[in-house]
Amino acid sequence: EAQVTQNPRYLITVTGKKLTVTCSQNMNHEYMSWYRQDPGLGLRQIYYSMNVEVTDKGDVPEGYKVSRKEKRNFPLILESPSPNQTSLYFCASSPGQGDSPLHFGNGTRLTVT
Amino acid sequence: GDSVTQMEGPVTLSEEAFLTINCTYTATGYPSLFWYVQYPGEGLQLLLKATKADDKGSNKGFEATYRKETTSFHLEKGSVQVSDSAVYFCALLPYNNNDMRFGAGTRLTVKP
Repeated sequence: EAQVTQNPRYLITVTGKKLTVTCSQNMNHEYMSWYRQDPGLGLRQIYYSMNVEVTDKGDVPEGYKVSRKEKRNFPLILESPSPNQTSLYFCASSPGQGDSPLHFGNGTRLTVT
Repeated sequence: GDSVTQMEGPVTLSEEAFLTINCTYTATGYPSLFWYVQYPGEGLQLLLKATKADDKGSNKGFEATYRKETTSFHLEKGSVQVSDSAVYFCALLPYNNNDMRFGAGTRLTVKP
């Protein structure tokens, strides 16, 4: 089954404790992206990647890192999480050509205390 | 830059009522337009799309027409069901990059 898989689904952590949210897709998509969803703000892009070893900042990259060492994986790293990073995070992928829609994972709800 | 503005919710309707969720956009060139739906506890799923002016996207009884003259892509359904309760996002994909832009989302609740 074609899918985007994120882990974990829920995560509660404390300020400053490094964490990684994993994202993997099995559709051989070139384009991958991370979003955060906050009430009243819709989805805001954090980082995206056009292909292996190619990553770029989105609208709200501060406090986040990503890497794209393999085509299928695009982990999101929070080196020193803060409470304002409490949010619902989505990974998405697409073939990256023409008018291809995004395929989304089921989300990771992160709480930073 | 390119952006999407959609009607703020929440929207509450009775079953079988008519639904309209407004969406307007600002973009250079000719973007592709999308509606995504998010059911509770899930990620966004593509509902429908339109790639050029006057195209009509449709799926599951929902429709939206790409109107270049009014820069709009309003979502409509003639008779909503309880199972349509979800958050709906309007989005655009610029013609020259992969940076999908989303509206703020509209929560729809349909009561029996």
